[in-house]
Parts: sequence; C-alpha cells; structure tokens
Amino acid sequence: QQQVKQSPQSLIVQKGGISIINCAYENTAFDYFPWYQQFPGKGPALLIAIRPDVSEKKEGRFTISFNKSAKQFSLHIMDSQPGDSATYFCAALNNNAGNMLTFGGGTRLMVKP
Amino acid sequence: KAGVTQTPRYLIKTRGQQVTLSCSPISGHRSVSWYQQTPGQGLQFLFEYFSETQRNKGNFPGRFSGRQFSNSRSEMNVSTLELGDSALYLCASSLWASSGGNNEQFFGPGTRLTVL
Repeated sequence: QQQVKQSPQSLIVQKGGISIINCAYENTAFDYFPWYQQFPGKGPALLIAIRPDVSEKKEGRFTISFNKSAKQFSLHIMDSQPGDSATYFCAALNNNAGNMLTFGGGTRLMVKP
Repeated sequence: KAGVTQTPRYLIKTRGQQVTLSCSPISGHRSVSWYQQTPGQGLQFLFEYFSETQRNKGNFPGRFSGRQFSNSRSEMNVSTLELGDSALYLCASSLWASSGGNNEQFFGPGTRLTVL
C-alpha cells in the first residue's frame, strides 16, 4: 500500500522558473514531512522538513506548503537553477512509531538553462 | 563532523551467496535505519536499530537481517541472494534523543549491490 503519493514523476522547468512538486498522504498519524534531494550516484540529502502544526516553511529558495485537512504537502523551488536538476523525494514519518520514513515515488526535475 | 559512511560502495555477488553491508553513523547518532532503493519500487524501509535493538522492521523477507553494535555502527546481511536483491542499499542515521525529539535522518552514499 503506497501511503505517500508523489506527482509529477518528471518535471522540466526553465531556468528562473518555479518548480512545484506535490505529495499526498493517507496515514493521519504522520507528523513529520521531509523532502530529500538526490543526485545520481549519491544518497538522498535532507533539503527541508515541516511538522503539521505549521502551514508553510521557507528556507532560501525552497518552500514547503502543508495542508493538513487535505493531507497534502508540496515543495516549491523558486528561481530554479540548472544545479537543482535532481530527483526529489517527499517522505513522511510517524514520530511515535520510530524512525521509519515512508517515501513518495520521486520526481525527476530537469532545469533547462 | 564526518557524515554517514557505508562500506563497501560497490559489490557484485552471485545468486545464492550472502552479503554483509556496513554503516557507520554520524558521531553521537544512536538511530540507524536501512533502506532499499530500486527503480521499480523506489525507496523502501528495511529496518531501524536504536541502542542495539531493532525497533522497526519493513515488509521484507527474513533473508534480510541486521544488527547494531554498542558504538552505533550497524550491519545488514542478506542471505541466499536473489536477482531481485540488486539495489542501492542506503543507511541513514539520526540523533533521536527521545520520542518527539530530533528525527532528522541523514543518508550515506549507499552500497550498490549487483546480483548476477
């Protein structure tokens, strides 16, 4: 059972544009939602994370928007750069159940110069 | 501070063999989790160890096992390898001071296992 659904699978954005990746979850016990960035041949790197008590979190060009009632959250990359080209994964975790991340399927982002 | 290290980085085995992968977490981190990454199934949770105890286990057969040592280093073992076990195996470490504490997970570069 896929508990975190991510879309789109792939995304092409022009340099300077906004990249938007969406995720939806089913388990209402999830209380921590990180985003990871992965380059080929590397492990996922933590980008930004949010807890359900806030609706938005911004770090530099990266913003997470969170909608608890809809059970959805999204990553916005402002002023997208070619160096942002990577695969992005959303994830969710139930803090009371231990360190077990459930990942979305991933989005391959390409930023064209 | 050194990051999560995994050894070996690449491994080629044949069906039926067994393999042991190693993970050294970030200094001070007590939680180590293992994930399998494949193109078809994506990132899937294998198991988590905290203070030498398995705290969670994903939906994988018993051929997959692990352990954690007193210095928080962890190993995972896969016995009777199958072609479908070919994957990138990732280890993640976390501080996890207590329930509700810091649960940021930091990943290592992974071990690329190829089963022939």
